[in-house]
Amino acid sequence: AQSVTQLDSQVPVFEEAPVELRCNYSSSVSVYLFWYVQYPNQGLQLLLKYLSGSTLVKGINGFEAEFNKSQTSFHLRKPSVHISDTAEYFCAVTKKGYQKVTFGIGTKLQVIP
Amino acid sequence: NAGVTQTPKFQVLKTGQSMTLQCAQDMNHNSMYWYRQDPGMGLRLIYYSASEGTTDKGEVPNGYNVSRLNKREFSLRLESAAPSQTSVYFCATTQGWAYEQYFGPGTRLTVT
Repeated sequence: AQSVTQLDSQVPVFEEAPVELRCNYSSSVSVYLFWYVQYPNQGLQLLLKYLSGSTLVKGINGFEAEFNKSQTSFHLRKPSVHISDTAEYFCAVTKKGYQKVTFGIGTKLQVIP
Repeated sequence: NAGVTQTPKFQVLKTGQSMTLQCAQDMNHNSMYWYRQDPGMGLRLIYYSASEGTTDKGEVPNGYNVSRLNKREFSLRLESAAPSQTSVYFCATTQGWAYEQYFGPGTRLTVT
């Protein structure tokens, strides 16, 4: 079975400061990993994904994530956040040939002016 | 090109009433999903459909039924609504197992 743990339910950070949102996964086979963002009263949209290849993945809006197989982690980072980054972020995992995606419980990023 | 659309956007039901949530996509994707989102619980899969004519249970299927009407449409039915089904419901689609999911805007359902 696959699972995802997002270690922080809320992360407050000052504008222009760096941020890291943590995600750990559990799976016995090769995985595909995703980060989604949800702005208030909207559906989720993809930030970035790791399928294979380079372990450093760049996404939209200046976000990036690093796949670390030995630590089973896929942490999301941004070097300088903006007010507009205030949203909820979801880590998700699936595996090859599998129909279902498992989502974490989400991390609310609050950017403080 | 609307992507994934859901109707209605909001709904209030009384306990025991029934309703159908509609989802349609114009992305020509094979797979469609229904999730519910509750505070502190993330997204939980209710049902999914890998292709037209097939459906399968997800993590929390009790109290729900689905119909994959055609490739474009996937509906979710609550036969006898309960307060525990108060939630935000999202429909999503994907082209393949490893690809990203595309989400609709959601339906906010309150059961009193």
